[in-house]
Amino acid sequence: EAQVTQNPRYLITVTGKKLTVTCSQNMNHEYMSWYRQDPGLGLRQIYYSMNVEVTDKGDVPEGYKVSRKEKRNFPLILESPSPNQTSLYFCASSGQNNSPLHFGNGTRLTVT
Amino acid sequence: AQKVTQAQTEISVVEKEDVTLDCVYETRDTTYYLFWYKQPPSGELVFLIRRNSFDEQNEISGRYSWNFQKSTSSFNFTITASQVVDSAVYFCALSETGGYQKVTFGIGTKLQVIP
Repeated sequence: EAQVTQNPRYLITVTGKKLTVTCSQNMNHEYMSWYRQDPGLGLRQIYYSMNVEVTDKGDVPEGYKVSRKEKRNFPLILESPSPNQTSLYFCASSGQNNSPLHFGNGTRLTVT
Repeated sequence: AQKVTQAQTEISVVEKEDVTLDCVYETRDTTYYLFWYKQPPSGELVFLIRRNSFDEQNEISGRYSWNFQKSTSSFNFTITASQVVDSAVYFCALSETGGYQKVTFGIGTKLQVIP
């Protein structure tokens, strides 16, 4: 089944404790991206990747890192999480330019 | 800079009523793509439709229809004879040419269909 898999679904952590949210897709998509969803703000792009080893900042990249060492994986790294990073995070992938995005099921992160 | 405005943050309708969700966009590109996504209460994001800037034909899919008007920079979504299963948050999104770099979403419209 074609899908984007994010883990974990739920994560509660404390300020400053490094964490990684994994994202993997099995559709051989070149494009992957991360979004955060906050009430009243919709979905905002954090980082995106056009292909292996090619990443770039979206609208809200501060406090986040990404890497794209393999085509299928695009982990989101929070080196020192803060409470303002409490949010719902979505990973997405797409195979062709301007094709619809395929989203993972989301990761609800709480930073205390 | 591109922008998507969904002015209706929440809408409530009674089942079987028709409802239109508004989407207004801003872009300097002449070639771009518009999308609608649905987020039901379970939380996943589901693609509904894509329209490119050169295709102003309206589209109908069952009870769903979309009205794209470049003259008013709008891409509105109408649900006819709404059902409880239509209750969700609906997002309009814009992608410019070479659009991998930038997909901008509106803040979403929460639709509640009351039985």
